[in-house]
Amino acid sequence: AQSVAQPEDQVNVAEGNPLTVKCTYSVSGNPYLFWYVQYPNRGLQFLLKYITGDNLVKGSYGFEAEFNKSQTSFHLKKPSALVSDSALYFCAVQTDSWGKLQFGAGTQVVVTP
Amino acid sequence: NAGVTQTPKFQVLKTGQSMTLQCAQDMNHNSMYWYRQDPGMGLRLIYYSASEGTTDKGEVPNGYNVSRLNKREFSLRLESAAPSQTSVYFCASSPSGRYNEQFFGPGTRLTVL
Repeated sequence: AQSVAQPEDQVNVAEGNPLTVKCTYSVSGNPYLFWYVQYPNRGLQFLLKYITGDNLVKGSYGFEAEFNKSQTSFHLKKPSALVSDSALYFCAVQTDSWGKLQFGAGTQVVVTP
Repeated sequence: NAGVTQTPKFQVLKTGQSMTLQCAQDMNHNSMYWYRQDPGMGLRLIYYSASEGTTDKGEVPNGYNVSRLNKREFSLRLESAAPSQTSVYFCASSPSGRYNEQFFGPGTRLTVL
């Protein structure tokens, strides 16, 4: 079965410092991986995806993610965090050709001034 | 474009009552999805519709039914609400399944007493 795991319930970082949100995956076949962000009382917003090609994927709002096949990881990164990046982040894997997604439990990011 | 819209935004039901959550998208997407979000569990797929005229069960379909009314609209019905269905419900759409990100609505917060 396809699945993702987000090992940290919460990540705390000071504004201006690098931000990393971890995600590991378990799939049979090629992994199609996604990151979404959810701001309070809002729906999920797409940040970026890895389908194939370059292992470093760039996305919205200055975020990027590194696909690592040997470590089965797809960590989300931002070089310099902003207070406005405080939100709930979800990693997801596409599980079949119909586009169904299996989400991780989410990681709450708190950026302090 | 409004994207994905959901009604209502909030709803309180008593155990045993029924209701229908409405979802519409104006992006001419083929695929639509219903998820529920519970704390610490990420999003779980309830039902999906790969294209107009088709629907299929997701991970947690028990207690729910869906209707793909046309290409734009995908409704979720609770026939006899239970407290375990207290959750936040999200509708999403995508152009088609494989490789495409999903676009999410703002959600419906449902409480069943």
